[in-house]
Amino acid sequence: DSGVTQTPKHLITATGQRVTLRCSPRSGDLSVYWYQQSLDQGLQFLIQYYNGEERAKGNILERFSAQQFPDLHSELNLSSLELGDSALYFCASSPQGGEIGGYTFGSGTRLTVV
Amino acid sequence: EDQVTQSPEALRLQEGESSSLNCSYTVSGLRGLFWYRQDPGKGPEFLFTLYSAGEEKEKERLKATLTKKESFLHITAPKPEDSATYLCAVQGYQKVTFGTGTKLQVIP
Repeated sequence: DSGVTQTPKHLITATGQRVTLRCSPRSGDLSVYWYQQSLDQGLQFLIQYYNGEERAKGNILERFSAQQFPDLHSELNLSSLELGDSALYFCASSPQGGEIGGYTFGSGTRLTVV
Repeated sequence: EDQVTQSPEALRLQEGESSSLNCSYTVSGLRGLFWYRQDPGKGPEFLFTLYSAGEEKEKERLKATLTKKESFLHITAPKPEDSATYLCAVQGYQKVTFGTGTKLQVIP
C-alpha cells in the first residue's frame, strides 16, 4: 500500500456520461498530480494541485476538470465521455510539489467507456 | 518540448542474464531523472532519482546511471520477480515527462 488511495478501482460507463474519480494523497503530502495512461501512450500529465490551488496544467482536455479540497483529497471530473477516454487514470502525491523527487502513485482507476 | 525515449520496448531475459535498459532524453533544464517500476494493473513504484551526469544509484540487482543525454538501468543477474515495466521520467522547469517504458520479462 503506497498510501495514496484512489476510488473507484474500476468504472464502466457509456459515451456522453460524466464520472468523478477520487484521490486521497499520502498523509502529509500537499501536492496531487493526475496522469492518464492509455495502451499506446505513456503516462500523460493532466494537472497538478498544491494545497488547494492549481499549480500546473498539462494535456488536460476542456471536458476534464479537477479540484483539491481543504482536506487535500482531489477529484478529477470527466464529462461528455468518448470511447478514446478509456484509460487508466493515476493520482500521485508529493510533499510539496516544487521539490525534485519521485512521486508516490496510487493504484489507479481503470475507466472503460462503452 | 521535453521528450523521453526508452529502448527496447520489450526485453526477454533468462534468469541470471544481465542486461541494460536505455532512456534517452531532451529536456530544458534537467532538474532530475527518475526510474520507476510498474507491475500490471498497478501504479508506478519509485526506484531512483538521479540529479547530474556521472551519478549512479543502486538498489539490490538494479543500478541506474546518468549521462548528459541518457540514462541506463542495469539489471544484474535478474530474477523472475524483476519482471515488470520500467519507466523513465525527467523533471524540467515545468513538469515531469514520462517515457513509454520497457517491458521486462525474466524467464526461470
